[in-house]
Amino acid sequence: GESVGLHLPTLSVQEGDNSIINCAYSNSASDYFIWYKQESGKGPQFIIDIRSNMDKRQGQRVTVLLNKTVKHLSLQIAATQPGDSAVYFCAELGNAGNMLTFGGGTRLMVKP
Amino acid sequence: DTEVTQTPKHLVMGMTNKKSLKCEQHMGHRAMYWYKQKAKKPPELMFVYSYEKLSINESVPSRFSPECPNSSLLNLHLHALQPEDSALYLCASSLTGTGTEAFFGQGTRLTVV
Repeated sequence: GESVGLHLPTLSVQEGDNSIINCAYSNSASDYFIWYKQESGKGPQFIIDIRSNMDKRQGQRVTVLLNKTVKHLSLQIAATQPGDSAVYFCAELGNAGNMLTFGGGTRLMVKP
Repeated sequence: DTEVTQTPKHLVMGMTNKKSLKCEQHMGHRAMYWYKQKAKKPPELMFVYSYEKLSINESVPSRFSPECPNSSLLNLHLHALQPEDSALYLCASSLTGTGTEAFFGQGTRLTVV
């Protein structure tokens, strides 16, 4: 079936470096994507979203890039901090309308 | 107020017990969701309510019974659960459910013994 998935299960970066977390999706009909951050013992926290009519969207220290040609989504975190350590999920709003489907998750570990 | 509140935070129940999980939001959102999350896995959708009506049931066993008493409240009634049902149960809400940001609660950590 159609799914949203991630390339790397764990990403380790040095504090201050930039982080890039990737996500591949297969449902070409999806038109809305969200990145969530989940810290241990907490619920997913919204980071940034993007619609399919956009290629790039920037927030505070975060940028989401969408490449519809290859069905690829990425989250870039600038100047990664220890507080960024968490599991990051991409999520896709399915073409059923209100089914938010999550990818497998990437654990980001920030080394001091 | 951009908060989704879930109670209780932790719950331990026996396989013959009946319990309920509660979720509340006061953001005026009309779509509410229940997700189940096992350790080191992504959240899996269970149910979606849209305008207080059940719109999606992802083939969830009948031992899980959702209820939406009004636009601010969402319950999940539990009965005769199995140990493999132990997980983090997450509630979320969004404005309409179609292309709008979903806010999540902190979850209820359920252990079935």
